[in-house]
Amino acid sequence: GQNIDQPTEMTATEGAIVQINCTYQTSGFNGLFWYQQHAGEAPTFLSYNVLDGLEEKGRFSSFLSRSKGYSYLLLKELQMKDSASYLCAVKDSNYQLIWGAGTKLIIKP
Amino acid sequence: ETGVTQTPRHLVMGMTNKKSLKCEQHLGHNAMYWYKQSAKKPLELMFVYNFKEQTENNSVPSRFSPECPNSSHLFLHLHTLQPEDSALYLCASSHSGTSEYNEQFFGPGTRLTVL
Repeated sequence: GQNIDQPTEMTATEGAIVQINCTYQTSGFNGLFWYQQHAGEAPTFLSYNVLDGLEEKGRFSSFLSRSKGYSYLLLKELQMKDSASYLCAVKDSNYQLIWGAGTKLIIKP
Repeated sequence: ETGVTQTPRHLVMGMTNKKSLKCEQHLGHNAMYWYKQSAKKPLELMFVYNFKEQTENNSVPSRFSPECPNSSHLFLHLHTLQPEDSALYLCASSHSGTSEYNEQFFGPGTRLTVL
């Protein structure tokens, strides 16, 4: 079966750095997405990786290793507004998105 | 109005009711999706429409019936639902349903409670 694993919850301090990991086992791979979802709101796109390596976008970076079935989302200079759930999703061989359950990130002052 | 809109935002219904959820996208996309989001569970893809044609139906019970009259509108018709169907129902759209980089844009969701 297809599976996406990510931690259920993480806590970090304002101003610090946090890394949210995602491991996947899917039938085929056509890219990995990270989305952010604030409570009661729609998921919003953060990043896309299809080749190995690091993609940087401001305070957020996303890394992919296809051989290891592994990705992480790195958030720097954490702000209170970064408190949200972070969803990892992989596009499989049928171009369907397979979703993880999300990581709830709690930022403390 | 821009983006993806969904109505109603909240819905409470009995198990014998019939209701419909509506989704509209103003992004010029050709693919639209219905997802179910339950607490602490992954997003579950329910239906996919590509150029108004249904391309995926992930073993969804027949009490959920989708309708896509055009590329901008998507409906989810509900009848004789069960309490376990209570969840957040999200609509999304994208340029195409079959390409690698294909960011999906989500609506705010309808919070459904079945009594």
